[in-house]
Amino acid sequence: AQTVTQSQPEMSVQEAETVTLSCTYDTSENNYYLFWYKQPPSRQMILVIRQEAYKQQNATENRFSVNFQKAAKSFSLKISDSQLGDTAMYFCAFSAYSGAGSYQLTFGKGTKLSVIP
Amino acid sequence: KAGVTQTPRYLIKTRGQQVTLSCSPISGHRSVSWYQQTPGQGLQFLFEYFSETQRNKGNFPGRFSGRQFSNSRSEMNVSTLELGDSALYLCASSLAGGAGGEQYFGPGTRLTVT
Repeated sequence: AQTVTQSQPEMSVQEAETVTLSCTYDTSENNYYLFWYKQPPSRQMILVIRQEAYKQQNATENRFSVNFQKAAKSFSLKISDSQLGDTAMYFCAFSAYSGAGSYQLTFGKGTKLSVIP
Repeated sequence: KAGVTQTPRYLIKTRGQQVTLSCSPISGHRSVSWYQQTPGQGLQFLFEYFSETQRNKGNFPGRFSGRQFSNSRSEMNVSTLELGDSALYLCASSLAGGAGGEQYFGPGTRLTVT
């Protein structure tokens, strides 16, 4: 079974600064996907960024980038130029095929990020 | 395109009752997954449906069940409700399913069991 661990329950960052959220995972799979999802207060969860395990290059989406260390099973999210709208719960998630096309998302417990004006 | 919709948004039930929650995926999406979100356990996978077939099921008791209709709309049912079933239930749809696909989440149904 896969596990995802987010060791920082809460973090804060000043507006315009950079913050890094940590995530580690455990799996015996070689091909898998990693995600960061964002859940703003009272709003729907949305995908922030996705990383395919077989790609060595770290994924980047505008101000969001990841540091994917496959050997260390680490997948951190860096948010640059933090904005007030980045205030949200951030969930790290793992997914791999488990036979017959089936899969499931396994989530970490989340990191509550507050951006301070 | 309209997003994922879930009905009802809020629900209050008493122990022992049963409840049915509904999820309408984004048009064209054939995969629907359900998750339970609680402060203590976080987000936990319930089950995933694709083309009316359950492809995967999480570690939940048999009181939790679901189905998917030919138009991809999905329902989940919880029978004999317990206090611990109080949670936010999220559904997510994706185009064809698959481990690497983006899942689009609905706003959730907040279930309170008294």
